[in-house]
Amino acid sequence: ETGVTQTPRHLVMGMTNKKSLKCEQHLGHNAMYWYKQSAKKPLELMFVYSLEERVENNSVPSRFSPECPNSSHLFLHLHTLQPEDSALYLCASSQDMGRGTVTVEQYFGPGTRLTVT
Amino acid sequence: KNEVEQSPQNLTAQEGEFITINCSYSVGISALHWLQQHPGGGIVSLFMLSSGKKKHGRLIATINIQEKHSSLHITASHPRDSAVYICGHGGSQGNLIFGKGTKLSVKP
Repeated sequence: ETGVTQTPRHLVMGMTNKKSLKCEQHLGHNAMYWYKQSAKKPLELMFVYSLEERVENNSVPSRFSPECPNSSHLFLHLHTLQPEDSALYLCASSQDMGRGTVTVEQYFGPGTRLTVT
Repeated sequence: KNEVEQSPQNLTAQEGEFITINCSYSVGISALHWLQQHPGGGIVSLFMLSSGKKKHGRLIATINIQEKHSSLHITASHPRDSAVYICGHGGSQGNLIFGKGTKLSVKP
C-alpha cells in the first residue's frame, strides 16, 4: 500500500448509528487532516493533527469525534449524524503542518462517500 | 477574509483545445496549490507553486504573487482531463483554503 488510504469508500448509516472512518498514510508524514466536501461547496477543513496532537480548528459538531492513535492513522468517529452530514470525507497528510499562509504539499486519500438516512 | 475565487465554474471543451482555468485569492500567500478531483472523488495534487511557472506534461501552472492570481493551462486537452480542478492556499492552521472548483468536461 502506498500513499493515503481510506476505508470504507462508501458508507450508508442511519441517524442513530455509530460508525468510524479510517485513514492510513504510508508516507511517513507528521500531519494529518480531515476535510468535508459537500455538494456545491468548497472543501472544508474539519480537524488537523500534528505529531498526533489535535490542533484547534473551525467549529465542528460534537457528533464528529477524531482520533489519532499514531502518526500513520487517523479516525473519524461518527454518532447521531444528521442527513445534512452526508458528504465526501477526505483525509490528507503532509510532511509537516504549514504555518500562516505557507503552503505545504498535502496528499489526499480517495475519500469516503457518506450517506446519512 | 480568506477567499479563493475560480473561473469559470463550468467549462466544456472539444478534444484538442487549449484550456485556461483562473484562480484569484485575497490574501498574501507564499504558494498556491492546484488539485485535480476525478468523478470518483479522489484528489491528486498537480502543482504547488510560489512564483513563475511550472510545467508537467500538458499541464502548465502560472502564478503572479503581486496580482494574487494563478492560471492552470491544459494543452491539447483530452477527455481523460475531464475533472474538477481546484485551487487553494495555506490557511493559518496548516490546512488548505479552497475555491469551489472548475468542472471541466472535454468532449471527444
